[in-house]
Amino acid sequence: DAMVIQNPRYQVTQFGKPVTLSCSQTLNHNVMYWYQQKSSQAPKLLFHYYDKDFNNEADTPDNFQSRRPNTSFCFLDIRSPGLGDAAMYLCATSREVTTYEQYFGPGTRLTVT
Amino acid sequence: KQEVTQIPAALSVPEGENLVLNCSFTDSAIYNLQWFRQDPGKGLTSLLLIQSSQREQTSGRLNASLDKSSGRSTLYIAASQPGDSATYLCAVLTDKLIFGTGTRLQVFP
Repeated sequence: DAMVIQNPRYQVTQFGKPVTLSCSQTLNHNVMYWYQQKSSQAPKLLFHYYDKDFNNEADTPDNFQSRRPNTSFCFLDIRSPGLGDAAMYLCATSREVTTYEQYFGPGTRLTVT
Repeated sequence: KQEVTQIPAALSVPEGENLVLNCSFTDSAIYNLQWFRQDPGKGLTSLLLIQSSQREQTSGRLNASLDKSSGRSTLYIAASQPGDSATYLCAVLTDKLIFGTGTRLQVFP
């Protein structure tokens, strides 16, 4: 089945130790998104790629970076995780930025110790 | 600035009841509205998508309506089951997807 896949499902990292989360898609969608969701809160958009064009949200901390080496894969890099970065990280895709449905992956739960 | 509100924040009902979950948004300039389901510790599952030109969408026991002019959407769940227990999120698409904080639903046998 076509889908959005996230690895790993659970990630534990130490304070300040860089970590990379992975997302892949078999839908061949143009747009890939990264959201952060803290406990009992709504998902919050960090950034998105339209093809190779990167679009950062104004309030996304510089600590968060992203790479999209090809259509299928997108990575979230957290350069120096703090305790406040512990959250669920959700990847999503859509055919276009407007109008079309977004499809979400299962998420990666990040714990910072 | 677009704001999305969901009422109630939590709901606990016996199995078999018909339910209405409410979503309101402050700016009617939206492309579409999506309803999602989220199980504890899991990702989001898309339930229904309503385009801005549409009034409602149906999938099985779920029916979602959209009144863009009044900034409201409702998700109707017929004959609720314990397996429907989850958090239900609505989200509106403007230049990005903006979520409400969800309604946590528990259906008990």
